[in-house]
Amino acid sequence: DADVTQTPRNRITKTGKRIMLECSQTKGHDRMYWYRQDPGLGLRLIYYSFDVKDINKGEISDGYSVSRQAQAKFSLSLESAIPNQTALYFCATSDLMPDATDTQYFGPGTRLTVL
Amino acid sequence: AQSVSQHNHHVILSEAASLELGCNYSYGGTVNLFWYVQYPGQHLQLLLKYFSGDPLVKGIKGFEAEFIKSKFSFNLRKPSVQWSDTAEYFCAVNARDTGRRALTFGSGTRLQVQP
Repeated sequence: DADVTQTPRNRITKTGKRIMLECSQTKGHDRMYWYRQDPGLGLRLIYYSFDVKDINKGEISDGYSVSRQAQAKFSLSLESAIPNQTALYFCATSDLMPDATDTQYFGPGTRLTVL
Repeated sequence: AQSVSQHNHHVILSEAASLELGCNYSYGGTVNLFWYVQYPGQHLQLLLKYFSGDPLVKGIKGFEAEFIKSKFSFNLRKPSVQWSDTAEYFCAVNARDTGRRALTFGSGTRLQVQP
C-alpha cells in the first residue's frame, strides 16, 4: 500500500550495531504495528501502538524497541543486532473501528541482514 | 490467545486448475478473518476479509473464501488459477472481543502455478 512507506528497503549490518527501521503513513490511522516475517513462520507481531502514548509488546519483542514519534510515524530499533534478527520486517496500520472491523494495511517491507 | 494453521505449505498447480487453500484457527470468541497475498518481491496485499454476515466472501482477482464456524475454518478458493497467481498466501485472524486487534498469521502457503 503506497500510503504506508518504510525506510530503508534493504539493510545489511553487522552484529552489535544499532539499527533503526522507520515507518510512515498518510492514511491517518491511529494504530500501527511492526511484524517480522521468517520463512515458514508467517508474520509475527513485535510491537503495536494504538496512539502516540500507547505502546504494547507483541509476541517477540525481546531485542527490539519502538518509538511512536507522531501519529504518522512508528520506528523500530534493534539496539544490538544479532544474526537471528535477519528477516523481512513489515509495518502495518489500521484505523479504529467501533465495531472492531479493523483492516490492516502493510508497507513494502524492509529486508534486514545481520552478519 | 488465537492461533492459525495453514496445512498446505507448498502447492503446485497447472493453469486452469482449481485451488483450495486450507486455514483453521483456534479461538473461542468472535473473530475477523483475512487472506493476504504476497507476490514475489512485494508487500502483503489484502485479498478478502470476513467480519460478519454471508459466510461466503468474494475478494479481488476471482478469489473467494468460506467461513465455516463449526469447523473454525476459512478456506480460500479460486475456480481456475492463472500463472500470475503464483505467490504466497497468508491467512490471518484477530479477535473482536479483545482490544488487541493485532493479527495472528498462519505460516503461509506458497502457490506455484505452472503454465
